[in-house]
Amino acid sequence: DTAVSQTPKYLVTQMGNDKSIKCEQNLGHDTMYWYKQDSKKFLKIMFSYNNKELIINETVPNRFSPKSPDKAHLNLHINSLELGDSAVYFCASSHGQGNEQFFGPGTRLTVL
Amino acid sequence: GQQVMQIPQYQHVQEGEDFTTYCNSSTTLSNIQWYKQRPGGHPVFLIQLVKSGEVKKQKRLTFQFGEAKKNSSLHITATQTTDVGTYFCAKGGKLIFGQGTELSVKP
Repeated sequence: DTAVSQTPKYLVTQMGNDKSIKCEQNLGHDTMYWYKQDSKKFLKIMFSYNNKELIINETVPNRFSPKSPDKAHLNLHINSLELGDSAVYFCASSHGQGNEQFFGPGTRLTVL
Repeated sequence: GQQVMQIPQYQHVQEGEDFTTYCNSSTTLSNIQWYKQRPGGHPVFLIQLVKSGEVKKQKRLTFQFGEAKKNSSLHITATQTTDVGTYFCAKGGKLIFGQGTELSVKP
């Protein structure tokens, strides 16, 4: 069984489109995260949710909106996609904030 | 801002050679975590260090946390091709990641 899963694995889309990435964890963790990894492999946190409440919201454009319907899910919706949004997006979860994180397989987003 | 500096950015070694990556912070860290990301893969947790001066070993990997809790290192003895990947340190709490050290191993 996959602990942290993301869909889709690959996403290719045109500039200006709106897209969503879904994340689910079956580890019973209370905290979930979204990270962006650019072409230089720099891993930057975007959002963190604890028990469905937003606790970290880094400086990301408000075109990015996370949604956590329950503790096991944290989805990421992106409006008006731009070329610079191309990256690999990782979802992760942990038991408590800042503890060992389990990462999903990543979603490679390419904006054309 | 609260950054974690990691060096070197790249390291190319011959199989069997040792490898070390260093992580430095300007502020005292509550804890530090290390992750490994294989090419095309996702980060995988290796270890967490909490105590000042702590040293932990996992087979050929040795992790150290500085006495002042501002720096950490990961040392791999006698590298193997399976060690290839990018190694990240991450500041505990908010989980700010270092830039990573990409290790390549020539057989």
